[in-house]
Amino acid sequence: AQKITQTQPGMFVQEKEAVTLDCTYDTSDQSYGLFWYKQPSSGEMIFLIYQGSYDEQNATEGRYSLNFQKARKSANLVISASQLGDSAMYFCAMREYLLGGYNKLIFGAGTRLAVHP
Amino acid sequence: DVKVTQSSRYLVKRTGEKVFLECVQDMDHENMFWYRQDPGLGLRLIYFSYDVKMKEKGDIPEGYSVSREKKERFSLILESASTNQTSMYLCASSSGQGALGETQYFGPGTRLLVL
Repeated sequence: AQKITQTQPGMFVQEKEAVTLDCTYDTSDQSYGLFWYKQPSSGEMIFLIYQGSYDEQNATEGRYSLNFQKARKSANLVISASQLGDSAMYFCAMREYLLGGYNKLIFGAGTRLAVHP
Repeated sequence: DVKVTQSSRYLVKRTGEKVFLECVQDMDHENMFWYRQDPGLGLRLIYFSYDVKMKEKGDIPEGYSVSREKKERFSLILESASTNQTSMYLCASSSGQGALGETQYFGPGTRLLVL
């Protein structure tokens, strides 16, 4: 079965510094997609970034980048120049294909990031 | 922008009550999903739907049912609420089209407390 592991329950970072949130995944599929979501205290899940398994370049979206290491099955999120508003829960997720051509997302347990001034 | 709305941000219900959680999306998305979120467990899929009147069980469907009578609306039903269904419930939708079609967009969540 496919699985997402986030080993850091909590992380602290100083404002303006970069931080890496770890994510490893387990799948036997050749084609898959990896996602990162941010969940502020308000509760809404906000899509941040996507990486396809066949994408040769690491995905980037503004201050977010995904350090994709296929051989190690890791998809770490890097946030550059942290801001106070980055304090939130961060979830890594992977697309899982189901019978019938459907697909769903599998989520990790999440990492709580606290940005200090 | 994709907009997913949920009928309530907070709900308090009593054990045995029938509970309806409503979700509406305005982007004509084909796919809709219901998750529950509990500390340390991440998000777990309850039910999903890929078309009107169509539903599929997720990983934890027991104690829940769903209804999708219109494309934009996906309802989660707790037939007889129990205390172990106290949780945060999140609805999501996705277009299912193109390379990013599996990207799910979420509503603000409903925090349900069952007493």
